[in-house]
Amino acid sequence: DARVTQTPRDKVTEMGQEVTMRCQPILGHNTVFWYRQTMMQGLELLAYFRNRAPLDDSGMPKDRFSAEMPDATLATLKIQPSEPRDSAVYFCASGLEAGGPPGELFFGEGSRLTVL
Amino acid sequence: ILNVEQSPQSLHVQEGDSTNFTCSFPSSNFYALHWYRWETAKSPEALFVMTLNGDEKKKGRISATLNTKEGYSYLYIKGSQPEDSATYLCAFSGNNNDMRFGAGTRLTVKP
Repeated sequence: DARVTQTPRDKVTEMGQEVTMRCQPILGHNTVFWYRQTMMQGLELLAYFRNRAPLDDSGMPKDRFSAEMPDATLATLKIQPSEPRDSAVYFCASGLEAGGPPGELFFGEGSRLTVL
Repeated sequence: ILNVEQSPQSLHVQEGDSTNFTCSFPSSNFYALHWYRWETAKSPEALFVMTLNGDEKKKGRISATLNTKEGYSYLYIKGSQPEDSATYLCAFSGNNNDMRFGAGTRLTVKP
């Protein structure tokens, strides 16, 4: 069945290392959102794309985070260099927007990142 | 930064109780309001999307209302069951079609 796939599921790394998280949206979906789960803010919006074009990445620390969609089947979130405060669960979600408001988002299972 | 506020932060009820939660959001640049249900160890799943002032949506024992002029939405659960235990998230979409979530209300239904 169609689902959003995220890799890796779990990543433990050391401070200063580069981390890349990948997301395969549901085939045919044209929006992709990246969220970070935090204790205080719940799901914090980091970046989102429509038809592969970045619309807003103001939620990301620009100096170390970057988000891209090399093609319609892959979205990436990169942290370089990683810091302990980046430890969190990162969720990718995709949806189909047909000219109206955002429809239902389908979430991946998340990538749990631990930066030591 | 747009603030989506949810209250209460957590709620404990007995099986059979009816309950409701609140989501408040900016009333300007409103496009849509979404409710999601997030069970432990799973991913969030959509419940409702509402766009018009006065909208009411219902799915089984769960319903939601929307007031865009004053910037709030209520989620109601009638006759809560233990399987309703989850975190309920609301999300605001503005004119730029973003989707920003509140921190959620964690509901625990005791048998």
